Amino acid sequence: KAGVTQTPRYLIKTRGQQVTLSCSPISGHRSVSWYQQTPGQGLQFLFEYFSETQRNKGNFPGRFSGRQFSNSRSEMNVSTLELGDSALYLCASSFTGGHEQFFGPGTRLTVL
Amino acid sequence: AQTVTQSQPEMSVQEAETVTLSCTYDTSESDYYLFWYKQPPSRQMILVIRQEAYKQQNATENRFSVNFQKAAKSFSLKISDSQLGDAAMYFCAYLLGIGAGSYQLTFGKGTKLSVIP
Repeated sequence: KAGVTQTPRYLIKTRGQQVTLSCSPISGHRSVSWYQQTPGQGLQFLFEYFSETQRNKGNFPGRFSGRQFSNSRSEMNVSTLELGDSALYLCASSFTGGHEQFFGPGTRLTVL
Repeated sequence: AQTVTQSQPEMSVQEAETVTLSCTYDTSESDYYLFWYKQPPSRQMILVIRQEAYKQQNATENRFSVNFQKAAKSFSLKISDSQLGDAAMYFCAYLLGIGAGSYQLTFGKGTKLSVIP
């Protein structure tokens, strides 16, 4: 089975722009979770989608949003980028959410 | 709120030796999962081992094993016969159901493991 894929792997944006990141889960997995990893805050949960519905959201501002498509692929969007949004964004897939989560390689976002 | 604490920011081990990474967590729940993830310099998070809280038997995966002490809320990872490829950041994580079928992973800050040839 192919693993979790994320595109793009690297992104450079400037403040005020918006960005969309994509995640394709392992075939058969219906739950997709997103995490932000920074040196200061570590790994923080952003949100989780299951069957095209957001089931849970972490403590992030409304500039962070996401969606999931019928094929379980997910996108996350960050609008009005700030310098502090520079981070590694990790996507993880799981069969239902209540099992181990398998991570993609991440998207490294740099905001200048 | 659930918290996960890894008290050792960095550790080192000689190749072929054994090392134990510590993790404690705080929860009032009785049913949950615990994981150890490895993140090498490539940044890819790799699942190392999982433990269901309702199982008393400690999980083992080849050279990796855990010491799960539920009452003490402790979940340490033992790596035997350490290899150069084991060098990475190791994260302890706690998975809890938070309602409506949703689950959330909470991670510790990580332990950076160096393997000395």
